Amino acid sequence: QKEVEQNSGPLSVPEGAIASLNCTYSDRGSQSFFWYRQYSGKSPELIMFIYSNGDKEDGRFTAQLNKASQYVSLLIRDSQPSDSATYLCAVSPNTGNQFYFGTGTSLTVIP
Amino acid sequence: NAGVMQNPRHLVRRRGQEARLRCSPMKGHSHVYWYRQLPEEGLKFMVYLQKENIIDESGMPKERFSAEFPKEGPSILRIQQVVRGDSAAYFCASSTRKGASAEAFFGQGTRLTVV
Repeated sequence: QKEVEQNSGPLSVPEGAIASLNCTYSDRGSQSFFWYRQYSGKSPELIMFIYSNGDKEDGRFTAQLNKASQYVSLLIRDSQPSDSATYLCAVSPNTGNQFYFGTGTSLTVIP
Repeated sequence: NAGVMQNPRHLVRRRGQEARLRCSPMKGHSHVYWYRQLPEEGLKFMVYLQKENIIDESGMPKERFSAEFPKEGPSILRIQQVVRGDSAAYFCASSTRKGASAEAFFGQGTRLTVV
């Protein structure tokens, strides 16, 4: 059973702070890792993807991957109220037939 | 370049009826994934299709559910004899190539309500 685990939250941070979202996965063969944002009642929207160990930065977002620890995280700097959403972690194995999603972490940025 | 198009956006069916959900992938995408999302839950994989082929249907319920992606036209998720427990948001995603190193883009979803 391939599993992707996320803390469901809710996670609350003040505006301007750093929000840290974490995800662990069970399949060591996983090769690709994705973060999606989903606003209530809307579809998931791709924010970032990462394939290699280390950090990947895109604007206010930084994805961090540690394959040895089977851990991927998303940091949101200078959090804004508009960042309030559910963040979904997704993992794709080497065989690449599908994407496994976590249940998501609900983030609230307090003005 | 239009995104992933799903229709209808909202669908209401009575118990025992059939529900047909449609998904047109992004232009140039030949891989389609269907997911179900129950209220307050995460996305659950249902089926992965390429044109005219079902690649992985390990997430599909054994009965009443079927999916196709014909050579021409959209992918269809079909639910026969719907029950209240089928009420959920059904999302379709498409990508350009097989799984790894291929990000998936989602449609707006079809919200199915069984009354």
